[in-house]
Amino acid sequence: AQSVAQPEDQVNVAEGNPLTVKCTYSVSGNPYLFWYVQYPNRGLQFLLKYITGDNLVKGSYGFEAEFNKSQTSFHLKKPSALVSDSALYFCAVRGLYNQGGKLIFGQGTELSVKP
Amino acid sequence: EPEVTQTPSHQVTQMGQEVILRCVPISNHLYFYWYRQILGQKVEFLVSFYNNEISEKSEIFDDQFSVERPDGSNFTLKIRSTKLEDSAMYFCASSAGPGVNIQYFGAGTRLSVL
Repeated sequence: AQSVAQPEDQVNVAEGNPLTVKCTYSVSGNPYLFWYVQYPNRGLQFLLKYITGDNLVKGSYGFEAEFNKSQTSFHLKKPSALVSDSALYFCAVRGLYNQGGKLIFGQGTELSVKP
Repeated sequence: EPEVTQTPSHQVTQMGQEVILRCVPISNHLYFYWYRQILGQKVEFLVSFYNNEISEKSEIFDDQFSVERPDGSNFTLKIRSTKLEDSAMYFCASSAGPGVNIQYFGAGTRLSVL
């Protein structure tokens, strides 16, 4: 069965420090991986995706994520956090053989960046 | 930037009543989805829709649920007889293509069943 885990409900970071939001996945075959962010009263906004190729993926707002096949992880990172990065972050996976486009989401991680 | 629009933002209904949640996908998109998020739980896939047909549905999407694209712009989710456990945030999404194409999400409709 396909699944995504975000082991931390909340991550607290000081502004200017690097941040990491963790995600691990379980899927048959090669995964397609996504990160979305949700601000209050807004829909999920796409940040970045990994399909194939370079394991380090760069996305919107200075975020990047590293695909690690051996550890089945796809952690979201940013070198220097901003207070405005505070939001709810979701990792999602789609299986290679899933034709309907279904995304399977993790439970979300609340990122809090303090000044 | 084009966006997915959902109405209403909050719907309150009595148990057993029918509700229709409305979505206007991005105009050139062809693939449409509904997800839901019960408070404090994961975002869960309900259904995907393409070419006027359901492509895939989850076990949550039982006979009480239906989807429709009644015209060229709207995409609706109908719940025939709401239950208390249907209370959730419902998200509509659309994408230009299948598979690895980015799904763009609306802000959601919060459904409260009393």
